[in-house]
Amino acid sequence: AQKITQTQPGMFVQEKEAVTLDCTYDTSDPSYGLFWYKQPSSGEMIFLIYQGSYDQQNATEGRYSLNFQKARKSANLVISASQLGDSAMYFCAMSFNNNDMRFGAGTRLTVKP
Amino acid sequence: GAGVSQTPSNKVTEKGKYVELRCDPISGHTALYWYRQSLGQGPEFLIYFQGTGAADDSGLPNDRFFAVRPEGSVSTLKIQRTERGDSAVYLCASSWGGTGELFFGEGSRLTVL
Repeated sequence: AQKITQTQPGMFVQEKEAVTLDCTYDTSDPSYGLFWYKQPSSGEMIFLIYQGSYDQQNATEGRYSLNFQKARKSANLVISASQLGDSAMYFCAMSFNNNDMRFGAGTRLTVKP
Repeated sequence: GAGVSQTPSNKVTEKGKYVELRCDPISGHTALYWYRQSLGQGPEFLIYFQGTGAADDSGLPNDRFFAVRPEGSVSTLKIQRTERGDSAVYLCASSWGGTGELFFGEGSRLTVL
């Protein structure tokens, strides 16, 4: 069965510093995709970054990068130069089996001034 | 509008009543997803449509929950004999069906008294 695990219920980071949010996954499918979404207190779900299982290089999008370690089945999100506006819930998600999609439990990130 | 539209945005009902939640996906998106999200939790998968058919309905918690997408666009999530534990935000998302990201609606907040 497909499973996404986020072991950090909450994280704190000082403004302008980098932070890593952990995500591990389990699937028997050889082809899958890994996503990160941000959910601010307003409730909207905002797509941040995507990594395909066959991608050789780690994905990057501005201040977001995905540390993809396929053998360890991990897909950690790295946010560089944290900003106060980065405070939100962050969800890791995995697509598999013809685009079925599951989400992790989330990590609440708080950026301190 | 261009985004995923969900109605109603808020629904308050009494225990035992029947509820319908509607999702209008982005035009042309073949994949449609329903999730349930409780406060502070990750989106819990309910059902995934590819076109008109349910590709995966393994997340529906019991036979009180049912969803349809008769013409491959608009979908309706139906909940019979509502219980207080059904109270949550019901999120709908759509995608073009490849490895693209999900686009989420703003959710329907259901409160069962």
